Amino acid sequence: EVQMVESGGGLVQPGRSLKLSCVASGFIFSNYYMAWVRQAPTKGLEWVASITNSGGSTYYRDSVKGRFTISRDNGKRTLYLQMDSLRPEDTATYYCTNPWERWGHGVMVTVSS
Amino acid sequence: DVVMTQTPPSLSVAIGQSVSISCKSSQSLEYSDGKTYLHWLLQSPGRSPKRLIYQVSNLGSGVPDRFSGTGSQKDFTLKISRVEAEDLGVYYCAQTTHFPYTFGAGTKLELK
Repeated sequence: EVQMVESGGGLVQPGRSLKLSCVASGFIFSNYYMAWVRQAPTKGLEWVASITNSGGSTYYRDSVKGRFTISRDNGKRTLYLQMDSLRPEDTATYYCTNPWERWGHGVMVTVSS
Repeated sequence: DVVMTQTPPSLSVAIGQSVSISCKSSQSLEYSDGKTYLHWLLQSPGRSPKRLIYQVSNLGSGVPDRFSGTGSQKDFTLKISRVEAEDLGVYYCAQTTHFPYTFGAGTKLELK
């Protein structure tokens, strides 16, 4: 069974950091580009970052560039999102996906003082 | 950024009815490899998104053939024939031709 399970979310103060993880199973993880997509409460979907299957190239939306870092460990079948200098507008449910065939269940990140 | 304009923003339908959703992009979505990376997703209430259609017209795994996608360049349509209760939710078009990847604002399909 294909599964992607995110973890690492929670409540964090503005300016602090959080690291999300997404463990994949049921498919050949190392064959796929991966991405993080977020959804603010009651809002639509927003692409955050992508990484190539080898991890050699990464791409970010402008609003997170320099603050977020996407990475992966193919041996552990795990995708990461290091989020630094968090802002209230980063509050959202974060999904990992291999655009867009499979999706995790999502993890909530709340940035608030 | 490529702007994806979906219409209508909401649809009220009866079970068994057929509906269409339009998605127009501000730039051509045809990539240099000749493929068009326009996809359709459905987010059912309280659930993660699910891919329905990829590259304009290819049905995702396990997706019933009541769903079909057409279009090219900047103009795309998702058609649902004979709507069923499980089809209710928010439909998004999404492009992965250009960075940043972008989504439409969504079309909410509700029961009449």
